[in-house]
Amino acid sequence: AQSVTQLDSQVPVFEEAPVELRCNYSSSVSVYLFWYVQYPNQGLQLLLKYLSGSTLVKGINGFEAEFNKSQTSFHLRKPSVHISDTAEYFCAAPNQGGKLIFGQGTELSVKP
Amino acid sequence: ETGVTQSPTHLIKTRGQQVTLRCSSQSGHNTVSWYQQALGQGPQFIFQYYREEENGRGNFPPRFSGLQFPNYSSELNVNALELDDSALYLCASSSQYSTLYNEQFFGPGTRLTVL
Repeated sequence: AQSVTQLDSQVPVFEEAPVELRCNYSSSVSVYLFWYVQYPNQGLQLLLKYLSGSTLVKGINGFEAEFNKSQTSFHLRKPSVHISDTAEYFCAAPNQGGKLIFGQGTELSVKP
Repeated sequence: ETGVTQSPTHLIKTRGQQVTLRCSSQSGHNTVSWYQQALGQGPQFIFQYYREEENGRGNFPPRFSGLQFPNYSSELNVNALELDDSALYLCASSSQYSTLYNEQFFGPGTRLTVL
């Protein structure tokens, strides 16, 4: 089955601490991978994408993600989070028809 | 450059009613996709329109239908509303057919509540 799995539904973290949001994908989805962020009462904004090339991808707002083919993972990281990073984060990949499949989301809560 | 816009922002309906949601795609984009995001869930693909034709459909019943107009704006229609249709409906536009790697730009969504 085509799937994208986010392993943590909620991640609480203190301000300026590092964070990792985990994402695994099934091998049946196309290996193009995306991370989106959704702030409260807003739509989705693309953080970063992996299409090919370097396995370490840098995105906006200081986020980066590493594509690991052997572990079918695409974890999102930030070395030092801010209060403003509090949001819902979604990992996504297109299926063979090119339609985006999303994970269930991870709620990142940054506390002072 | 105008981004993706959706209207209305919020909507309350009762069971059995019909609803139409609207989306204006970003300038230069000819493909529109609709997603349903239930509370606490990731977005689920409903269908996609490319140059006014449906181009793929997710696991949604026929009472979910859509249109795309010559200016590439789009409508999502839902008939015979059910309580489980309560969700945030997201529209996304992109510039090419079969967006395997073309970025989809999302609108702010329409929050539908069915009572």
